[in-house]
Amino acid sequence: DARVTQTPRHKVTEMGQEVTMRCQPILGHNTVFWYRQTMMQGLELLAYFRNRAPLDDSGMPKDRFSAEMPDATLATLKIQPSEPRDSAVYFCASGLVLGTVNTEAFFGQGTRLTVV
Amino acid sequence: GIQVEQSPPDLILQEGANSTLRCNFSDSVNNLQWFHQNPWGQLINLFYIPSGTKQNGRLSATTVATERYSLLYISSSQTTDSGVYFCAVPGAGRRALTFGSGTRLQVQP
Repeated sequence: DARVTQTPRHKVTEMGQEVTMRCQPILGHNTVFWYRQTMMQGLELLAYFRNRAPLDDSGMPKDRFSAEMPDATLATLKIQPSEPRDSAVYFCASGLVLGTVNTEAFFGQGTRLTVV
Repeated sequence: GIQVEQSPPDLILQEGANSTLRCNFSDSVNNLQWFHQNPWGQLINLFYIPSGTKQNGRLSATTVATERYSLLYISSSQTTDSGVYFCAVPGAGRRALTFGSGTRLQVQP
C-alpha cells in the first residue's frame, strides 16, 4: 500500500528550539511538496522539489526554515529557531510529473506542530 | 499566480440530501484534484480530474477545463461525508498545487 509517510505526527516544542520534520515520498514519485495549514491562511505551499532539486521555496521564511532532500526517499523540513507563530499542521505530498503533465499528488498524514 | 475559488464556503445538510460544490480557477490547467479533509485532519484523494466526468460511489465530479470550473456532486449524503472539501490545481509552469479555501460540509443525522 503506497503512501506518503511523515514523522513525527505530533510535536510540542519550546520557542527557540530546532524542529525537524521528515517525509518519505511514494517510491517512484519525482516531486515532493511541503505545505503548511493554518486556520487563517489555509493550505499554503512552502517548498517544491522535483528530482530532488528545489524548484520553488518562495513561500518559505528563509531566515528560519530550510527544506532538503538528502536522497530520493527522504525529504526534511527544519525550523530553527522555532516561534509560536510556526504552530500549524505541516503536510508533505508527493507526485509524478510526466513531461508537462502533473499526475495525481498524495498527501501524508501531517505533522501537528505546537510551539509554546 | 493562479486563483482558485470555491463555493459555498459552508454547507449544512440533512443526511440523505444531495449537494453540489463548485471550484472556479483563473487559468488553464492540466490537472485538478478534489480532496476531502476529514475531522481528523487527513487529506483524502477523491478525484484526479483534468477534464470530463468521473464517478466513485455516491460522489462524482465534472471538470469543464475550457470554462475553468469543476463541480463535485455528493448524493445521499452521510454523516461520514462531513469535513472540508478542497479543490487544487497546479500553478503556472507546472508548479505545485494551489488550493482553494475549501467548502466546509456538515451532515446532520
